[in-house]
Amino acid sequence: EIVLTQSPATLSLSPGQGATLSCRASQSVSGYLAWYQQKPGQAPRLLIYDASNRATGIPARFSGSGSGTDFTLTISSLEPEDFAVYYCQQRSNWPLTFGPGTKVDIK
Amino acid sequence: EVQVSESGGGLVQPGGSLRLSCAASGFIFYNHAMNWVRQAPGKGLEWVSAIGGSGDTTYYADSVKGRFTISRDNSKKTLYLHMNSLRAEDTAIYYCATSIVAVRYFDYWGQGTLVTVSS
Repeated sequence: EIVLTQSPATLSLSPGQGATLSCRASQSVSGYLAWYQQKPGQAPRLLIYDASNRATGIPARFSGSGSGTDFTLTISSLEPEDFAVYYCQQRSNWPLTFGPGTKVDIK
Repeated sequence: EVQVSESGGGLVQPGGSLRLSCAASGFIFYNHAMNWVRQAPGKGLEWVSAIGGSGDTTYYADSVKGRFTISRDNSKKTLYLHMNSLRAEDTAIYYCATSIVAVRYFDYWGQGTLVTVSS
């Protein structure tokens, strides 16, 4: 099973600041990594798939990069609605696995 | 507009059974894989099971293998999760999720149905 590790666990930032979230895989997943956003009481939402492709309707301030074992989600300038938990997920191997999440909260 | 909606959750005793359903609309159901993902209270996301468009291929997390069965009825555009031998650790919100645009990712989600396993 591929284990995904996310860092930091919590990121405290102010609106307008940029955010950089990391996801590391226990073995190469090539470019097969996605990012999701989840707000309290809501279902997750797909943001990025295959490392760098934005899903439908996702604002351009969200971008993804990386390959192999190291990936990054960047939010260029935080909007109030961006404070949430972010998960990465790999589709390289079964079972599909998620990282433990990074919480982005308001400083 | 793609929509999926889960039902069938509830309170069940340890060792009991439950069947979840997921009604889908807004896309060609039989063309796309479908998934179940769960989230224990206050915890992260865990993929549970996936099924191919025709229903011939299925995949399971080790934590549910042998106890849960995923199936689909393409004529009814409905996905199912049959859960047997339920344990306290199966307590979670169960989400139905599509893989339409992004293969083996989860691009559209329902609002989830809560399953509580407790005596």
